[in-house]
Amino acid sequence: TQLLEQSPQFLSIQEGENLTVYCNSSSVFSSLQWYRQEPGEGPVLLVTVVTGGEVKKLKRLTFQFGDARKDSSLHITAAQPGDTGLYLCSTGQGNTPLVFGKGTRLSVIA
Amino acid sequence: DTAVSQTPKYLVTQMGNDKSIKCEQNLGHDTMYWYKQDSKKFLKIMFSYNNKELIINETVPNRFSPKSPDKAHLNLHINSLELGDSAVYFCASSQRTSGDQETQYFGPGTRLLVL
Repeated sequence: TQLLEQSPQFLSIQEGENLTVYCNSSSVFSSLQWYRQEPGEGPVLLVTVVTGGEVKKLKRLTFQFGDARKDSSLHITAAQPGDTGLYLCSTGQGNTPLVFGKGTRLSVIA
Repeated sequence: DTAVSQTPKYLVTQMGNDKSIKCEQNLGHDTMYWYKQDSKKFLKIMFSYNNKELIINETVPNRFSPKSPDKAHLNLHINSLELGDSAVYFCASSQRTSGDQETQYFGPGTRLLVL
């Protein structure tokens, strides 16, 4: 089972700031997903990355998959209070148990 | 329309009791899951069913017994509840593919507190 390390564990920033959170493993990912979980709700998929070096953008969110497919980052530009939540990375497919990182808890203060 | 629904949303019970959590999905997916999220927000898979058959069973105490009457429903029965069972339990569903990682659709969670 792959172990996913996410950093930082906690992040508190002011509205309008930029931030980057990371997801790393010692193993190669076949693919990787980022989810956001808002307080009191279940996680919701943001993006799936499958190709080494891939960059995907979702409005102010930019996701990057490392060339070696062992790491991924999520960059948020001009953070908004609505970005507050727990950001989780996940990997696994088919009959392989899905593994989630422990997440980054982001708080954006207005 | 609620895609993945769980009942109850909150469950407070005494140690030693037996309780069930129900999950239903209306997405037509063939795979359903139960996850446990502890107080530190660590989300860990417990079980996975594909077309009513158990395909993933992580190291979960046998006090936990999932049951899938049909592919739209996956219920979780817990016997002899313990304090350490207190957590948020999420149901999820996905459509199995032979290629890329499937999208998991999560329910709103059941907050279980064992006293």
